[in-house]
Amino acid sequence: EAGVAQSPRYKIIEKRQSVAFWCNPISGHATLYWYQQILGQGPKLLIQFQNNGVVDDSQLPKDRFSAERLKGVDSTLKIQPAKLEDSAVYLCASSPRAGGTGELFFGEGSRLTVL
Amino acid sequence: QQQVKQSPQSLIVQKGGISIINCAYENTAFDYFPWYQQFPGKGPALLIAIRPDVSEKKEGRFTISFNKSAKQFSLHIMDSQPGDSATYFCAASSDYKLSFGAGTTVTVRA
Repeated sequence: EAGVAQSPRYKIIEKRQSVAFWCNPISGHATLYWYQQILGQGPKLLIQFQNNGVVDDSQLPKDRFSAERLKGVDSTLKIQPAKLEDSAVYLCASSPRAGGTGELFFGEGSRLTVL
Repeated sequence: QQQVKQSPQSLIVQKGGISIINCAYENTAFDYFPWYQQFPGKGPALLIAIRPDVSEKKEGRFTISFNKSAKQFSLHIMDSQPGDSATYFCAASSDYKLSFGAGTTVTVRA
C-alpha cells in the first residue's frame, strides 16, 4: 500500500515570497491533516479535513496560510507571504476515520527554510 | 499552550538498558493516548497506544503505563537497541483532535 506522498521535500525561499506544498493521502482515507513541526518541537495541527470539508482550522494563521482539499483527495497548503518563523517541516497525515482516535499515517514532510 | 508535557527532552541509554519517557496532561477529556516514533527525515509513525480504561499495555519491548488519577502516562523501552534511536512523541486526543508533546530524543549507545 502506498503511503502519504508529499512534495516538494525541501524548499528555500526569501521572506515575503509564497510557497505551496502538495499532499496525496493514502487511498480511501477520509481525513487529512496538515501539521507544522518546528525544529525541536512536536507537530502542531494546522488544519484538518474530513473529505472536502474543514473540521478544524483554529490554529491556521489565516492571514497568510491557506489550504484546500480537492475532490476529497489531494490537498495543497499555501503560505503567502512567508515569514522567518514559518521555517519548519510541514507534515501531511491521513486517517481512515475522523480524529485522533485512530492511527494517523504521516508523510515524510516538506522542509521549508525562509531566509 | 502545550496540552501534553513531555520529559526528558533527551536521554542516552546503553544497549540493553531501559528507556523511560514521561508525559503529563491536564485535560480530563482526553480519551486516547498514542506514542509516535520519528526517525530523522521521516514522518512520525504510530508505535503503541492506550485508552484510559487500561493501566498498562505491552507490545514487544514497548510498554505504556497509564495513571489516570495522576493524569500521567509513560513509555518504557525494554532491552533498548541502537535501532531504537529516534525521537518519541507522546500525544493525547479529545474531540477528534490530537495534541503532541514536545518529543524526547533517545540515543542508544552500543
